[in-house]
Amino acid sequence: NAGVTQTPKFQVLKTGQSMTLQCAQDMNHEYMSWYRQDPGMGLRLIHYSVGAGITDQGEVPNGYNVSRSTTEDFPLRLLSAAPSQTSVYFCASSLKQGANYGYTFGSGTRLTVV
Amino acid sequence: AQSVTQLGSHVSVSEGALVLLRCNYSSSVPPYLFWYVQYPNQGLQLLLKYTTGATLVKGINGFEAEFKKSETSFHLTKPSAHMSDAAEYFCAVSDPNSGNTPLVFGKGTRLSVIA
Repeated sequence: NAGVTQTPKFQVLKTGQSMTLQCAQDMNHEYMSWYRQDPGMGLRLIHYSVGAGITDQGEVPNGYNVSRSTTEDFPLRLLSAAPSQTSVYFCASSLKQGANYGYTFGSGTRLTVV
Repeated sequence: AQSVTQLGSHVSVSEGALVLLRCNYSSSVPPYLFWYVQYPNQGLQLLLKYTTGATLVKGINGFEAEFKKSETSFHLTKPSAHMSDAAEYFCAVSDPNSGNTPLVFGKGTRLSVIA
């Protein structure tokens, strides 16, 4: 069982560069989401998707784009990286976006923007 | 809007001592509540959850939590701490009446266990 797979695990970017953080799940989960984790801030929701072709913004969406062309994949794109986007990024999925479903998390991508 | 407050960003206990991590929620309706654990350099894992029914819920690794509506609390406890319990713990809340509202997480409490 692969669960939720995130790649890469580590990345260093220069300011202004763009990149895509990959997230894939093999559990046929409808719901997928991206969080960023910063010291003392907990997890903040960036974007989420309740199914293929459907995405919505979370708490901190600026500077990030997402798309959901398949059930399995939910990539996060940084359009023009900024030092403020230095963070650890987590992808999470759930069978459905229902209130009683727990999330399965990936192991994270640690991004540094210099 | 729902929210959770975790009291204490860092808790330190001795090995074998009681672990108590506090979580209070704000919600206009009885919510669903979750505790997650994050070990160093890993993602979050579900420890336990409360949805309906028994207010005392048991999770993995000997942890349990009790939903107390009158106190709007969902504190996490473990009778005897192990060194392996050192991690960061997150409380989360969701609205049972809203099918599309993502989980809202607290800021986390880092647990240290002293030998």
